[in-house]
Amino acid sequence: DTAVSQTPKYLVTQMGNDKSIKCEQNLGHDTMYWYKQDSKKFLKIMFSYNNKELIINETVPNRFSPKSPDKAHLNLHINSLELGDSAVYFCASSQNLAGNTGELFFGEGSRLTVL
Amino acid sequence: DQQVKQNSPSLSVQEGRISILNCDYTNSMFDYFLWYKKYPAEGPTFLISISSIKDKNEDGRFTVFLNKSAKHLSLHIVPSQPGDSAVYFCAAISYNNNDMRFGAGTRLTVKP
Repeated sequence: DTAVSQTPKYLVTQMGNDKSIKCEQNLGHDTMYWYKQDSKKFLKIMFSYNNKELIINETVPNRFSPKSPDKAHLNLHINSLELGDSAVYFCASSQNLAGNTGELFFGEGSRLTVL
Repeated sequence: DQQVKQNSPSLSVQEGRISILNCDYTNSMFDYFLWYKKYPAEGPTFLISISSIKDKNEDGRFTVFLNKSAKHLSLHIVPSQPGDSAVYFCAAISYNNNDMRFGAGTRLTVKP
């Protein structure tokens, strides 16, 4: 029974297209995140939502738009995809904001390849 | 602006020996530190953590040491097992701005 699930796991698309990655958590957590793991393997936070409200919005292009219809879901929509968007995107959740133990539960990742 | 650094991209250790993974940070305001373990094609999973007010936390074969004056923490695994082979990420949290930063990871290989 997957705690944090994200789909699709693999996505190959052309430059200029618009794509979405979906994330769902069944842990009852209040906070959800999107992280990007780039070619240098750094895990960088992109967004975090707490109870459907945007909390952290790092400096990412406006082409990236998160949407949280409810606190169990945080989807990532990307417009006008560029080559540099190729990366592995991880969704994660935590009971609270990263203010207690900071333990995050990650999804398996979605590998996006832009051709 | 990499506030959390893992300078060794890889480490190879013989089974049964000690594995020591290192992590350095630059922000003295970090309050909590964590280690995550990541297998291929899976997301990172939480391994062990330590508060900034402590200098050691132990959980079975895993021990994390924190040296605040040096802004350095390390993860010791002893004895190392082949199943420990994975990428280990160091992370640090600042409660003040709800910020968590990850290092680039160190790939540990434990040879039988």
